[in-house]
Amino acid sequence: DVKVTQSSRYLVKRTGEKVFLECVQDMDHENMFWYRQDPGLGLRLIYFSYDVKMKEKGDIPEGYSVSREKKERFSLILESASTNQTSMYLCASSDLRRGSGANVLTFGAGSRLTVL
Amino acid sequence: GNSVTQMEGPVTLSEEAFLTINCTYTATGYPSLFWYVQYPGEGLQLLLKATKADDKGSNKGFEATYRKETTSFHLEKGSVQVSDSAVYFCALLNYGGSQGNLIFGKGTKLSVKP
Repeated sequence: DVKVTQSSRYLVKRTGEKVFLECVQDMDHENMFWYRQDPGLGLRLIYFSYDVKMKEKGDIPEGYSVSREKKERFSLILESASTNQTSMYLCASSDLRRGSGANVLTFGAGSRLTVL
Repeated sequence: GNSVTQMEGPVTLSEEAFLTINCTYTATGYPSLFWYVQYPGEGLQLLLKATKADDKGSNKGFEATYRKETTSFHLEKGSVQVSDSAVYFCALLNYGGSQGNLIFGKGTKLSVKP
């Protein structure tokens, strides 16, 4: 089974701190994604990556950056955390390729971040 | 643009009741459709999928049929169990443009009472 591991399940940070959320997948997937999940808003895509050192903005990239130095690892960075970034963050991976038909995202268990 | 609309919850049912969670979509071309489920304290996991019109996805007693004429992918189960309590997300995958990512509905929380 594909495993997507998010290193921190719960974090509490203070406003202005730099926050790193780490995600590792073990199935050699090309594609990795970061979503945030908020009540009433569902899942919103922050950033995604189709290859090492490649990144593309999703729907809500403001206040976030990402790093993909190795294929298996995709990090989400909050340069200066703010209270409105309190949320559940979900990492996912897939072997999605264009034109190959339906593909499946495999999600990590999530990282719940609270910014005070 | 592409979008997914699913019925708002929460939905509360008694054990063995019939479940329907409505999902409709807007998309260009021929998207693939998915239902994901999120159990308490966990990430999302795929429940079922359909890749073309009239396909029926099924898993764990859940079913959904890809209806292009009504742009719908409603989730159904004939007899729910307490263990089905979770949040259910309808999602669409379209290869249009430069992004091949899933577009999710807002989720429907299901609570099943014994």
